[in-house]
Amino acid sequence: SQTIHQWPATLVQPVGSPLSLECTVEGTSNPNLYWYRQAAGRGLQLLFYSVGIGQISSEVPQNLSASRPQDRQFILSSKKLLLSDSGFYLCAWSVGLAAYNEQFFGPGTRLTVL
Amino acid sequence: DQQVKQNSPSLSVQEGRISILNCDYTNSMFDYFLWYKKYPAEGPTFLISISSIKDKNEDGRFTVFLNKSAKHLSLHIVPSQPGDSAVYFCAASLVPDKLIFGTGTRLQVFP
Repeated sequence: SQTIHQWPATLVQPVGSPLSLECTVEGTSNPNLYWYRQAAGRGLQLLFYSVGIGQISSEVPQNLSASRPQDRQFILSSKKLLLSDSGFYLCAWSVGLAAYNEQFFGPGTRLTVL
Repeated sequence: DQQVKQNSPSLSVQEGRISILNCDYTNSMFDYFLWYKKYPAEGPTFLISISSIKDKNEDGRFTVFLNKSAKHLSLHIVPSQPGDSAVYFCAASLVPDKLIFGTGTRLQVFP
């Protein structure tokens, strides 16, 4: 069966510090991978998505970046965190197109930037 | 620019009654719509979807209605159960690789 892992579950970081959130998927090959953010009072905002190794599409200009070094690994990074980066970060995967196939979400990482 | 809007942040319904969650969108080119359900501290899970060529899709207690002329969709839950208490997100697709989510509606079903 397929599983998706995200870590850490919670993170408190000072403004200006770097960030690295990791997401891995097991039990499937060549998944589409997604990073979302849910900020307070906001919906799920798509940040990045990837349809293959090294292929990253950015949806929102910001100080975040994403990388996909392996087929089932998706990393969200920042060199310098801002207060506005606080939120709940969700990784998701799908086999095939997100609109026609169910997206499976990880447990999420709650990031607080102080 | 919020292309998918859920104007009711919360909804409270008695157990056994109907829950109606609403979603409005602005882009008439959206071709697929989905509902996701989210419990606290968990990732969302897929609930039901509908293609823009249909106006209704039903799955057990859950029915989604699409009114393209009004750019409106709704999710009906009948009968509502306490376990349905969660945040519900509607989502729409323009490009099949991406979903645009609404802000969510928190449903509380009380006994």
